[in-house]
Amino acid sequence: QSVLTQPPSVSGAPGQRVTISCTGSSSNIGAGLDVHWYQQLPGTAPKLLIYGNDYRPSGVPDRFSGSKFGTSASLAITGLQAEDEADYYCQSYDSSLSGSRVFGGGTKLTVL
Amino acid sequence: QVKLQESGPGLVKPSQTLSLTCTVSGASISGGDYYWSWIRRPPGKGLEWIGYIYYSGSTYYNPSLRSRTTISVDTSRNEFSLKLSSVTAADTAVYFCAGEMYDYKIQYSYGMDVWGQGTTVTVSS
Repeated sequence: QSVLTQPPSVSGAPGQRVTISCTGSSSNIGAGLDVHWYQQLPGTAPKLLIYGNDYRPSGVPDRFSGSKFGTSASLAITGLQAEDEADYYCQSYDSSLSGSRVFGGGTKLTVL
Repeated sequence: QVKLQESGPGLVKPSQTLSLTCTVSGASISGGDYYWSWIRRPPGKGLEWIGYIYYSGSTYYNPSLRSRTTISVDTSRNEFSLKLSSVTAADTAVYFCAGEMYDYKIQYSYGMDVWGQGTTVTVSS
């Protein structure tokens, strides 16, 4: 059981917009701790997609965006493309486990 | 450009100790710009953070693995290592090393922006 809860799967057609939620608690996201998002394509290492809740590293398309409100965070992907089919993970920190990094359980995105 | 490369045995017997090393290139571990982490992904499951080390040697481990985990750093070789003791089949996973850029002046993390390609470790007799 992950500290951060994500839906196991989401899907969308090419060109559509999808969102992936990441629900935490008052000891992590709700405590004001930042959320980062990673994309893991099959057979590859995770790649940082969003850091600090809503910042994109250079090279990440602006089709990807992040947001945070209360004890939850979201990743939005617009203009869905076949190459976006991957596993997506949120990551934060837990103040009850000082210094501990925590990941969500991961969400499999299927492009229909 | 910072690059990470994991190395170590791909097969470990139950009850033995898993040992992996991550070699860093393109950045100096002694520079203090990164926390260096180990993360794993068991088959059919999600990512699990194992622990991190800073160049000074300070460490923090996932509480669920703390009793079996040791992460160390060798700044002269620019590498850091993972030891996980008393392994079982549940420790079978792809193991990744990663670097998390952290600015101490403003207490800000830029996320884990550099990753190794991952190495598969199977625990089996």
